Amino acid sequence: EPEVTQTPSHQVTQMGQEVILRCVPISNHLYFYWYRQILGQKVEFLVSFYNNEISEKSEIFDDQFSVERPDGSNFTLKIRSTKLEDSAMYFCASSRGLAINNEQFFGPGTRLTVL
Amino acid sequence: ILNVEQSPQSLHVQEGDSTNFTCSFPSSNFYALHWYRWETAKSPEALFVMTLNGDEKKKGRISATLNTKEGYSYLYIKGSQPEDSATYLCAPRPTGANNLFFGTGTRLTVIP
Repeated sequence: EPEVTQTPSHQVTQMGQEVILRCVPISNHLYFYWYRQILGQKVEFLVSFYNNEISEKSEIFDDQFSVERPDGSNFTLKIRSTKLEDSAMYFCASSRGLAINNEQFFGPGTRLTVL
Repeated sequence: ILNVEQSPQSLHVQEGDSTNFTCSFPSSNFYALHWYRWETAKSPEALFVMTLNGDEKKKGRISATLNTKEGYSYLYIKGSQPEDSATYLCAPRPTGANNLFFGTGTRLTVIP
């Protein structure tokens, strides 16, 4: 069964460093998402991406964040200058479309630890 | 931002017991409700997408109902098994949005 994959599973970085989190969405899906969960809090939406551009973003997704689909398979989230409060589990998701009953399929997450 | 509440936060049941938990969400601007099952270190697994008031969906021993007028959904597990131990997340999608708004989840532990 097709699945969303994410690498790495765990990333440790120093405050101020840039990180790139990688995702391979399901191959025939057109919409891609990043969510995150800070420990003990709810899963929060960051950004959605369609047709090579951002379609929606939340207040969390400020200028420090960017997303890219560098080739036909990968979808990346870049954090330019990490802060302690960026420590969280980051989930990538994809969906076939935006129809009312379309599911969003999630990857296993990347745990980002900022020291 | 949608206020989504799930209760209880955690639950311990004996193997074979049936159980249920609740997801509450604002009834205005409702479009769809997603339920996920999430085991630690694995991907959240999509269980159901529910859209219509009165919807009932079933997958094996797990079923869910939806009341969009009053803004709640129930998830039921019949005859719980240890492999049902997981966190169950609900996530409404409001009209006009592509994204989901998650509750804090209900952590279920089934004791053998």
